[in-house]
Order: sequence, then structure tokens, then C-alpha cells
Amino acid sequence: NAGVMQNPRHLVRRRGQEARLRCSPMKGHSHVYWYRQLPEEGLKFMVYLQKENIIDESGMPKERFSAEFPKEGPSILRIQQVVRGDSAAYFCASSPEGGNTIYFGEGSWLTVV
Amino acid sequence: QKEVEQDPGPLSVPEGAIVSLNCTYSNSAFQYFMWYRQYSRKGPELLMYTYSSGNKEDGRFTAQVDKSSKYISLFIRDSQPSDSATYLCALKVGGSQGNLIFGKGTKLSVKP
Repeated sequence: NAGVMQNPRHLVRRRGQEARLRCSPMKGHSHVYWYRQLPEEGLKFMVYLQKENIIDESGMPKERFSAEFPKEGPSILRIQQVVRGDSAAYFCASSPEGGNTIYFGEGSWLTVV
Repeated sequence: QKEVEQDPGPLSVPEGAIVSLNCTYSNSAFQYFMWYRQYSRKGPELLMYTYSSGNKEDGRFTAQVDKSSKYISLFIRDSQPSDSATYLCALKVGGSQGNLIFGKGTKLSVKP
């Protein structure tokens, strides 16, 4: 059973470009979470989605960041006009309907130059 | 006061030692308690999941929750060099879904 799949694993963007991070949840999981981990910092919640719905985006910066989880296909975290401070590891996680355990992917490392 | 406090370490122990990792929290609404292990440049791996106060054992790992003191612990017996990683506590408010609140993580090094 494949785990949470994230791609790309590493992404380099110049300031002002857009970054798109993709996440396919574990098979049978319908809930997706995105977290950000800055160097020497803990994991910070960004957004929680179910298929076609954003359930909680309280951790998402108000500008430049957006997330979606369409009916078909992976969840996408989109960062527009990236700045150096966006350089971080972005982790996707998933959980099953009615489940309390949350499983993480291997992360996408974004570097803004 | 932060919602979840965790001593970042680093913590260095000799192989075979018993390791104790701890977190404290302030919000009594937390009902689900998890421990993750994270190796460098990898994703967090779920180690233990507990719901109620008390102990839960899985192999060399024991998770302990004391809701009255708002204190959770992870014990590692017979520690191995392969246990060297960052250990993150994560808490969740009640309900079947919802996001996790993480501690900053404790970096553990087990010396052979």
C-alpha cells in the first residue's frame, strides 16, 4: 500500500516565480493536510482539505498561498510570487474518513533563490 | 504560553540507555496524542498514538499520557544508534478530524 506521495521532492524557484507542490494521499484516505517546516522550526499547520472542500485554512498565509483537492487528481499547494522566506519543507499528510491517525509524505523542499 | 512545549535538546545517550522524551501542553481540549520520528530530510513517521491517560507499549517504545498534569512522555528502552532522529509530539483536539499541533521536536543522538 503506497504511502502519501509528494512531488517534486526538491524544487528551486527564483523570487517572483510560482511553485506548485503536489500530493497524492494514501489509498482510501479522503482527508489531506499541508504543513510547513522552516529550518530549526517545528511543523506548522497550513490547511486541511477534503475532496473539493477546504475545511480549515487557518494556518495559511492570506496572500500568495492557495490549496485545492479536486475530485480527480492530487492535492495542489500553490505559492505565487515566491519570496526567500518561503524556502522551507512542505509536508502533505492524509487520514481516512473517521480516522484519527495522520500519515505524512516525505516532503517537498522548496528553495527560493 | 505556547500550546505545546517540547525541549529541543539535543539529547545524547549511549547505546542501550533508556530515553525519556516529554511534552507539556496548555489546552485541556487536546484528546489525541501522537509521537512521530523524523530522520533528517525525511517526513515524520508515526510511532505511537494514544487517546486516553495511561500507558501504551509497542516494542521498545512506551507512550504515557497524564491529562491531569497535561504532560505526555515517550520512553525508548534499549536505545539503538538507529533511533537517532528528531522526535515530535503532536496533539489533536477531539473530534474525528482536525489538524495536529506539534511540539518543536527533540533531537536525539544514540552513541554506539
